[in-house]
Amino acid sequence: SQTIHQWPATLVQPVGSPLSLECTVEGTSNPNLYWYRQAAGRGLQLLFYSVGIGQISSEVPQNLSASRPQDRQFILSSKKLLLSDSGFYLCAWSADTPLGGGLAGYTFGSGTRLTVV
Amino acid sequence: RKEVEQDPGPFNVPEGATVAFNCTYSNSASQSFFWYRQDCRKEPKLLMSVYSSGNEDGRFTAQLNRASQYISLLIRDSKLSDSATYLCVVNKGFQKLVFGTGTRLLVSP
Repeated sequence: SQTIHQWPATLVQPVGSPLSLECTVEGTSNPNLYWYRQAAGRGLQLLFYSVGIGQISSEVPQNLSASRPQDRQFILSSKKLLLSDSGFYLCAWSADTPLGGGLAGYTFGSGTRLTVV
Repeated sequence: RKEVEQDPGPFNVPEGATVAFNCTYSNSASQSFFWYRQDCRKEPKLLMSVYSSGNEDGRFTAQLNRASQYISLLIRDSKLSDSATYLCVVNKGFQKLVFGTGTRLLVSP
């Protein structure tokens, strides 16, 4: 069966520090991968998605970046965190179907709760 | 207009009650529709897909009205464990899902 792992679960970082969040998927190949952020009391905002190694689509211009160095690994990074980067970061995967990952539903990792202080 | 709109609630209902949530979406080209459930401080989890003909999963019934661009979720015989936020989700293009901000349900004894 497929599983998705995300770490760390919680993180407190000072303003201006770098960030690296990692997400890996097991039990499937060529998944579509996604990074979402959920600010306190807000909805889920799509940050990045990837349909293959090295292929990253950015949805919202900001000081975050994403990389996909391996088929089942998705990394979210920042060189300098801002207070506004605080939130609940969720990685998700969907199956690569001929009709597209958005048509199959996503499975989320357990998330990283980031507080920038 | 938001891509997916939901009443934020909260809906406060007693155990055993029937409750319905509605959702509207703006993109008439959307093809896939889902309801997700999110517990406090947890990740969203897929509750059910929504099919054109309507579908049922135990106490949960989902309906889709394409003409009105409207999705609904009906929960019968509410349980305490149904307390959560319910997210309406619609696809955008082939690769992306857009999430509503959610409707909060509180079931009380």
